[in-house]
Amino acid sequence: DAGVIQSPRHEVTEMGQEVTLRCKPISGHNSLFWYRQTMMRGLELLIYFNNNVPIDDSGMPEDRFSAKMPNASFSTLKIQPSEPRDSAVYFCASKPGQEGGQPQHFGDGTRLSIL
Amino acid sequence: GDSVTQMEGPVTLSEEAFLTINCTYTATGYPSLFWYVQYPGEGLQLLLKATKADDKGSNKGFEATYRKETTSFHLEKGSVQVSDSAVYFCALWMDSSYKLIFGSGTRLLVRP
Repeated sequence: DAGVIQSPRHEVTEMGQEVTLRCKPISGHNSLFWYRQTMMRGLELLIYFNNNVPIDDSGMPEDRFSAKMPNASFSTLKIQPSEPRDSAVYFCASKPGQEGGQPQHFGDGTRLSIL
Repeated sequence: GDSVTQMEGPVTLSEEAFLTINCTYTATGYPSLFWYVQYPGEGLQLLLKATKADDKGSNKGFEATYRKETTSFHLEKGSVQVSDSAVYFCALWMDSSYKLIFGSGTRLLVRP
């Protein structure tokens, strides 16, 4: 079975440009999470969706960040305008059901560099 | 609030040595506990889990026991291999908050 698929794997762009990260969760999983990983701050939860509805976006750093999940098989995380401090690895994860015993499955991440 | 504390790394061991990575947690309820492993350039992979007190999770020679009395979930392996070199994350999940809370990660380096 295919795991969580993220694209692109690497993105290098200049400050001020719009960046769009994409995620395809595992089929049948109804919860989706976006994380950011940096050396300084570790893993941070940005936002999560349940049944395509955003439930908690309190981790989104500021209005430059937005996330959508138009259907059960696709989500985007957009940064506009991008800044050098947004450079990080962004992970998407999905999870079946709401019970705690079900683990999250992570994609391989998008390594984002803002110049 | 809920939190996870892991031992500082890096942990450097010789091949076939015994491994312990300490993990303690603070939670108001009864969380599920996980260990994830991250290899260079990859995402996090579930290593093992335990959902209630005294449960033992195990996988690939790694083990961890959910100890409610000491609020701990220490990761152990009897004989590490070079291929075990990675970053290990302890995490807890609370149904009430619907969030997976991670520790800061512990880097393991195994030398031949």
